[in-house]
Amino acid sequence: QVQLMESGGGVVQPGGSLRLSCAASGFAFSEYGMHWVRQAPAKGLEWVAFIHYADNKEYYGDSVKGRFTISRDNSKNALYLHLNSLRPDDTAVYYCANSGINFNPDQWGPGTLVTVSS
Amino acid sequence: SFELAQPPSVSVSPGQTATISCSGDNLGDVFAAWYQQKPGQSPVLVIFQDSKRPSGIPERFSGSNSGNTATLTISETQAVDEAEYYCQAWDRRTGGAFGGGTKLTVL
Repeated sequence: QVQLMESGGGVVQPGGSLRLSCAASGFAFSEYGMHWVRQAPAKGLEWVAFIHYADNKEYYGDSVKGRFTISRDNSKNALYLHLNSLRPDDTAVYYCANSGINFNPDQWGPGTLVTVSS
Repeated sequence: SFELAQPPSVSVSPGQTATISCSGDNLGDVFAAWYQQKPGQSPVLVIFQDSKRPSGIPERFSGSNSGNTATLTISETQAVDEAEYYCQAWDRRTGGAFGGGTKLTVL
């Protein structure tokens, strides 16, 4: 069955950087687009980034554009999110998800918590 | 990107039909999806491509999308359906968006 497991979260100071990873198994990773979605404490879902499976084209939400970078390594069945210039409002649980045919997040991991605080 | 608006809360009696709306400019021109999220859990896809149910989702969940509004309908609502529900859409130019979420209470 599909398994997605995020890692790399933690506490980081404002202005700092972090790299999140998502280990995928149970499906043909190289044939799926992948999303990152985040959820601030007691808030709703916010779409963060997407990477296409065929041409690695990247899309970003307005609030992270220019600061975050999504990437993937098909040889390792791994998805990454590089977070730079972190701000307190980036504090959230970050989920990875594989993509359905209409670019909707399909199956989700349990998430990893990023806390930006001094 | 899309701006998707949902009512903050909807209440329904057990056995009745719950309807949750999601509005956005020309939303009907793209596909909408819906997610269920219970406290402390990851979201679960319940409707994709406007009206299709993933494997394992009960038939009482249905969806539609036309004009500026997508709708999630839960027939014969049960206590286990109490959760937060989010709509989602994709714009090929700007990427993804979620609605603000609707808390469904089954009284």
